Amino acid sequence: DADVTQTPRNRITKTGKRIMLECSQTKGHDRMYWYRQDPGLGLRLIYYSFDVKDINKGEISDGYSVSRQAQAKFSLSLESAIPNQTALYFCATSDLRSTDTQYFGPGTRLTVL
Amino acid sequence: SQQGEEDPQALSIQEGENATMNCSYKTSINNLQWYRQNSGRGLVHLILIRSNEREKHSGRLRVTLDTSKKSSSLLITASRAADTASYFCATVRSSNTGKLIFGQGTTLQVKP
Repeated sequence: DADVTQTPRNRITKTGKRIMLECSQTKGHDRMYWYRQDPGLGLRLIYYSFDVKDINKGEISDGYSVSRQAQAKFSLSLESAIPNQTALYFCATSDLRSTDTQYFGPGTRLTVL
Repeated sequence: SQQGEEDPQALSIQEGENATMNCSYKTSINNLQWYRQNSGRGLVHLILIRSNEREKHSGRLRVTLDTSKKSSSLLITASRAADTASYFCATVRSSNTGKLIFGQGTTLQVKP
């Protein structure tokens, strides 16, 4: 969905490096989410934010941090990347007035060597 | 932990056949949603069924929900090669709206 963009789309980095993944949306939604996807494990929630001043941990937040810079921007950081953080990362948004339907970005493929 | 379990994990059919995927979940839900993912791309919402609904249709998609069995099924009728993708169910728990819990997905291959 072009309304939710993620940068970069692909990234290869080394163990110990700090990495930031960025997400922007033009849908005007209040809620934003970060997921990671690993083969055979579906999507797992890392962090979510219901508005600019609200940040919540998901089921696998260890090793990650987030920043909600504005309603439209939600970034995910890996302070010191490790190989088992190699995965596909998705940002998503939803409208608090809707039925919890989420709209996903195209994903960032991160490889940690 | 994952809320949903999907069955089968992989499904291969011929174009024109129907495809049925099942999803089971563990806790009380507010609604259940199905998403589609083309290889390596973002998920796209297909259909949502609320906990007080039993069946819903959208084009060639039919979703059923049985809250007593904590299960749902997605039927794609008259499948096309373009339906080849992974399909995920996701639930919103009654106690925690706003968060989706995804199943592991069913990979569907439709052969032309």
